[in-house]
Amino acid sequence: DGGITQSPKYLFRKEGQNVTLSCEQNLNHDAMYWYRQDPGQGLRLIYYSQIVNDFQKGDIAEGYSVSREKKESFPLTVTSAQKNPTAFYLCASSAPGTKAYEQYFGPGTRLTVT
Amino acid sequence: GEDVEQSLFLSVREGDSSVINCTYTDSSSTYLYWYKQEPGAGLQLLTYIFSNMDMKQDQRLTVLLNKKDKHLSLRIADTQTGDSAIYFCAETFSGGYNKLIFGAGTRLAVHP
Repeated sequence: DGGITQSPKYLFRKEGQNVTLSCEQNLNHDAMYWYRQDPGQGLRLIYYSQIVNDFQKGDIAEGYSVSREKKESFPLTVTSAQKNPTAFYLCASSAPGTKAYEQYFGPGTRLTVT
Repeated sequence: GEDVEQSLFLSVREGDSSVINCTYTDSSSTYLYWYKQEPGAGLQLLTYIFSNMDMKQDQRLTVLLNKKDKHLSLRIADTQTGDSAIYFCAETFSGGYNKLIFGAGTRLAVHP
């Protein structure tokens, strides 16, 4: 079955530590995205990548970093510079060739930093 | 500017119709979307509508688009308890890449 996987589902870290969230897709999509979701708010775009070896900052990139070495994978690192990292993180992908540009989401990773 | 607004809560009785409303600001949006999020899960694409359409129907779901008023609605007929979730409206951004702008989401509660 094609889809997007994110691991782990729950992640706990101590303040000051970097942590990497995994996102893998087997949909053969070129574009991948990372969003952050906080209670009562919509999704905010952290980073996106339209093609391998290329990525751009979204609206709230400060304190985060990404890489896109393979088409299937787009890991997100939450660094110690992110002031408020506790949130629900969602990865998505899309096929730019489709007219509707719809994005498909993974199940999310809930990160708690104490 | 880019902004999508939705009311935060909606409560309906099982079997009734639900109508979730959304307003957006980017008049050049090409597509508008409705996503569903169940507790602790990712977002599931429910349906989308192209900006030159005014209505789209898909089984129990009806999407209405009033482009003049920049108003989008999602009607769920015969609402069931399994429809309880958060519903997000989103629009495409005209800035040249596949950016979606999301509303804050409407929490739909279905009660007996």
